[in-house]
Amino acid sequence: NAGVTQTPKFRILKIGQSMTLQCTQDMNHNYMYWYRQDPGMGLKLIYYSVGAGITDKGEVPNGYNVSRSTTEDFPLRLELAAPSQTSVYFCASSYWRVDSGYTFGSGTRLTVV
Amino acid sequence: QKEVEQNSGPLSVPEGAIASLNCTYSDRGSQSFFWYRQYSGKSPELIMFIYSNGDKEDGRFTAQLNKASQYVSLLIRDSQPSDSATYLCAVVIGGATNKLIFGTGTLLAVQP
Repeated sequence: NAGVTQTPKFRILKIGQSMTLQCTQDMNHNYMYWYRQDPGMGLKLIYYSVGAGITDKGEVPNGYNVSRSTTEDFPLRLELAAPSQTSVYFCASSYWRVDSGYTFGSGTRLTVV
Repeated sequence: QKEVEQNSGPLSVPEGAIASLNCTYSDRGSQSFFWYRQYSGKSPELIMFIYSNGDKEDGRFTAQLNKASQYVSLLIRDSQPSDSATYLCAVVIGGATNKLIFGTGTLLAVQP
């Protein structure tokens, strides 16, 4: 049981480049989330999904896109990378029960130069 | 704007002491709350969930909730150096979506 798997673990992008951060979970969780964490800051919600085919914006969606074609996968797309997107990105998943909490992936450290 | 506030610390306590971590939230309608622990360079891990006023105990950890004061806290008894980490308070928002809004975290340093 791998839990939540994120790839890559590290990435350096040049300004204007695009990339996709991958997230896969094998726990059959319906709910999935993308957060970013800047140094010394808490986590900010980018996008979330309550099931395949259903996504919605969080607190800081600008510059990002998501899709959810399967229960397992929830990729995050960065278009036209900017230095402000330098951050650590965490994918998480959960059951529908509120008390189940999140299972987080190990994170992707992204630097835009 | 719904907010969750924590003192960033660092909170320094000697080994064996009780560490007290505090969190306030702005949305009076919030019902459910989490504490997560995050070691440096790692992902957050769940410690406690609480939704009822009062105390909830799990081993060395006790979460306390006071909805009237919009205040939730985490007590760590018999603190160990391995407890040194950032502790994140999170509040459930958005109804049935289980979305969480996180505080900025409190850095706890337990001195041997």
